[in-house]
Amino acid sequence: DQQVKQNSPSLSVQEGRISILNCDYTNSMFDYFLWYKKYPAEGPTFLISISSIKDKNEDGRFTVFLNKSAKHLSLHIVPSQPGDSAVYFCAASDNYGQNFVFGPGTRLSVLP
Amino acid sequence: GAGVSQSPSNKVTEKGKDVELRCDPISGHTALYWYRQRLGQGLEFLIYFQGNSAPDKSGLPSDRFSAERTGESVSTLTIQRTQQEDSAVYLCASSSGDPYNSPLHFGNGTRLTVT
Repeated sequence: DQQVKQNSPSLSVQEGRISILNCDYTNSMFDYFLWYKKYPAEGPTFLISISSIKDKNEDGRFTVFLNKSAKHLSLHIVPSQPGDSAVYFCAASDNYGQNFVFGPGTRLSVLP
Repeated sequence: GAGVSQSPSNKVTEKGKDVELRCDPISGHTALYWYRQRLGQGLEFLIYFQGNSAPDKSGLPSDRFSAERTGESVSTLTIQRTQQEDSAVYLCASSSGDPYNSPLHFGNGTRLTVT
């Protein structure tokens, strides 16, 4: 029973265009959400987070949107660059941001 | 170094042997996590340490798995009588433990192969 779902295993985008990665969750107790990027043979790297009191958080080319009523969040990357090609994991936590549940990941390929 | 350090980076072992994986968290981080990633799958939670509290062991898949942490420093994950299904990348992460302001910082993992 996956509490955090990323229904697209892969996504291909042209360089310079927008990449949109989606994530759905089932546990209404989740109140802190994060996105991580992972390159092969490396650990996941933190990208951006959002707490449930917000619906948008922006950091440079990365923006995370949260729709609590739909239990859905998305990561927008604009403009996409070839170096963004990686696996992206969505994560969520409850219990005051201490227990983290990860989605299965989406592999993003940015084509030059 | 300022990051989370894991050793060894790769470990090949025979089925039935015991293995010990080590994690050095970021200095000052009170929270430490172990995750496992099997080939082609997502991150699977194993165990979580927070300060001096009792660890959350709810993710450990069997009693062959155990972990210890010395104070707020190094942690070891031990797998006894390894099985082929234990083959995975074992990832350690640490955080400052501040609610809503403490993302996990991961090490590069230990790739375990059980033959």
